[in-house]
Amino acid sequence: DADVTQTPRNRITKTGKRIMLECSQTKGHDRMYWYRQDPGLGLRLIYYSFDVKDINKGEISDGYSVSRQAQAKFSLSLESAIPNQTALYFCATSDLSQETQYFGPGTRLLVL
Amino acid sequence: KQEVTQIPAALSVPEGENLVLNCSFTDSAIYNLQWFRQDPGKGLTSLLLIQSSQREQTSGRLNASLDKSSGRSTLYIAASQPGDSATYLCAVAGKAAGNKLTFGGGTRVLVKP
Repeated sequence: DADVTQTPRNRITKTGKRIMLECSQTKGHDRMYWYRQDPGLGLRLIYYSFDVKDINKGEISDGYSVSRQAQAKFSLSLESAIPNQTALYFCATSDLSQETQYFGPGTRLLVL
Repeated sequence: KQEVTQIPAALSVPEGENLVLNCSFTDSAIYNLQWFRQDPGKGLTSLLLIQSSQREQTSGRLNASLDKSSGRSTLYIAASQPGDSATYLCAVAGKAAGNKLTFGGGTRVLVKP
């Protein structure tokens, strides 16, 4: 089984709809991250969490919110989706001693 | 604000040729620099991590160098194979950013048989 899983893998939604992307990890890491990837722009950080009670905004948090339900779960919500939120979304984890981040397979989101 | 640039955006080489991928960053105050590989439809896989105090790291056919003072890193892949075809991303963990990663746009590599 994969260490970092994301659901759904693909999602099509309409403008104005609320959607949630979920991330689960079995690595036992405290730190979790949400990124979005747009063609040619690399990955940009949306939100990150260093433990269950710690939530921080990243570079591009406007229009997004997150919830850290447990050490293993970190969800990303789009309260009212808009077309420019069409992108590939990645969840990642790391721990305090390891600096390498481990990525999930990604969720491809299309907002019509 | 840290900016990370990867040039070229795409690269095509015949099998067996050595690959040289470049990464530049604007703020030399970094904790580390990481190279990732991304296959279509999949997540990122970490290839190499170079600490700010190191000059290079090696893993098999891969070698990454770091010149912090000039803000550059180079990933060398020896004797390329078609299976090396992927997008390669570099990312910098900056001290000003609390160790969070800033990514370059990636270099898309095609190795032709």
